[in-house]
Amino acid sequence: QVQLAQSGAEVKRPGASVKVSCQASGYTFITYYMNWVRQAPGQGLEWMGMINPSGGTTTYAQRFQGRITVTRDTSTNTVYMELRGLRSEDTAVYYCARGDAYRGSYYLDSWGRGTLVTVSS
Amino acid sequence: SFVLTQPPSVSVAPGQTARIPCGGRNIGSRSVHWYQQKPGQAPVLVVYADSDRPSGIPQRFSGSNSGNTATLTISRVEAGDEADYYCQVWDTNTDHVAFGGGSKLTVL
Repeated sequence: QVQLAQSGAEVKRPGASVKVSCQASGYTFITYYMNWVRQAPGQGLEWMGMINPSGGTTTYAQRFQGRITVTRDTSTNTVYMELRGLRSEDTAVYYCARGDAYRGSYYLDSWGRGTLVTVSS
Repeated sequence: SFVLTQPPSVSVAPGQTARIPCGGRNIGSRSVHWYQQKPGQAPVLVVYADSDRPSGIPQRFSGSNSGNTATLTISRVEAGDEADYYCQVWDTNTDHVAFGGGSKLTVL
């Protein structure tokens, strides 16, 4: 059974950085990409980026380029998402989600429970 | 990036059929996936590759995709189906995931 265990809620000041973790279990970690998706209060889902745990290569959404870094630790089956230069608009629930490919497409088949990040002075 | 358009809300009476559209330019040439999100919970994949269901998802959930519109269909709607529903594609131009804005399904 796939499980994605995320780290706990964070409160940060504007300009600070946050690092959220996602520990995977129940499958072979390096065989599935891991994604980060966020959801601001009352808003929709926003894809931030992904990592190939096998080689560590990353792809980021344009709007987060330069502010986001996704890394992984294959010894603990954990993926990390760091977001820098936080502003109030970054207040959101951050989800990790496992990616799977099928017939030339890509979807997110398992999700963590989410980590609330609050940015406030 | 690829733009997906969903109506903000869809309403249906219990026992009836709900159809939630997802519009996109020539979306029929892409594979569309659907997620259900109930309040305070993480999204759950309910349909992938246009019309396939993950294990554990009731047969009442189905999907179709043609032309410029993909549709999630929920038959015999129950109160427990009330949720936000998001469509998603893989944008091959940018190698990014693209989500629709979401549709809130209200069961009257």
